[in-house]
Amino acid sequence: NAGVTQTPKFQVLKTGQSMTLQCAQDMNHEYMSWYRQDPGMGLRLIHYSVGAGITDQGEVPNGYNVSRSTTEDFPLRLLSAAPSQTSVYFCASSYSRSYDEQYFGPGTRLTVT
Amino acid sequence: KQEVTQIPAALSVPEGENLVLNCSFTDSAIYNLQWFRQDPGKGLTSLLLIQSSQREQTSGRLNASLDKSSGRSTLYIAASQPGDSATYLCAVRPKAAGNKLTFGGGTRVLVKP
Repeated sequence: NAGVTQTPKFQVLKTGQSMTLQCAQDMNHEYMSWYRQDPGMGLRLIHYSVGAGITDQGEVPNGYNVSRSTTEDFPLRLLSAAPSQTSVYFCASSYSRSYDEQYFGPGTRLTVT
Repeated sequence: KQEVTQIPAALSVPEGENLVLNCSFTDSAIYNLQWFRQDPGKGLTSLLLIQSSQREQTSGRLNASLDKSSGRSTLYIAASQPGDSATYLCAVRPKAAGNKLTFGGGTRVLVKP
């Protein structure tokens, strides 16, 4: 199993550009989520999904879009990048939203200039 | 709203000493608590998952306890090594609020040779 994979590892964007961060898992997990990690702010939930076709907002959803067309993939779209979105982004998955261990991807370091 | 606190924020110990890391949470209605390790510039690695019905979990030199009624968990690392230097994060999965994993701010550990 590859576990949770994320691409790209690093990205630099200009303000106003859009892009998609990719996340995939091969563990047949139903629950997937996106977090951002910022110094002094810890990990904050952006969006999550409890299964294909079902998504919901987390703590900090503004400026981000998600969709879940398959169980394996959960891409995160930045609609119009802003410097405040400079962060490290982590994707995570677990079999369910309750009792199961959560696994994290290696992260994407995004800089918006 | 669930809040998770880790004190101290940083800890330095000589090699061989036992490490004791603390995590407290405000709402005892949780499914489980998970301890993670994060190395600089890397993703989160799951160390131990304790279900709410359990009192402790062990893996090698690691032992985590959970006292749900008092809202506390402790991670013990026996006979610390320089390779244990990392940031340790705890996270709870609440039974409310969409079951969103809530993280503490982490404890940064340095084990001196």
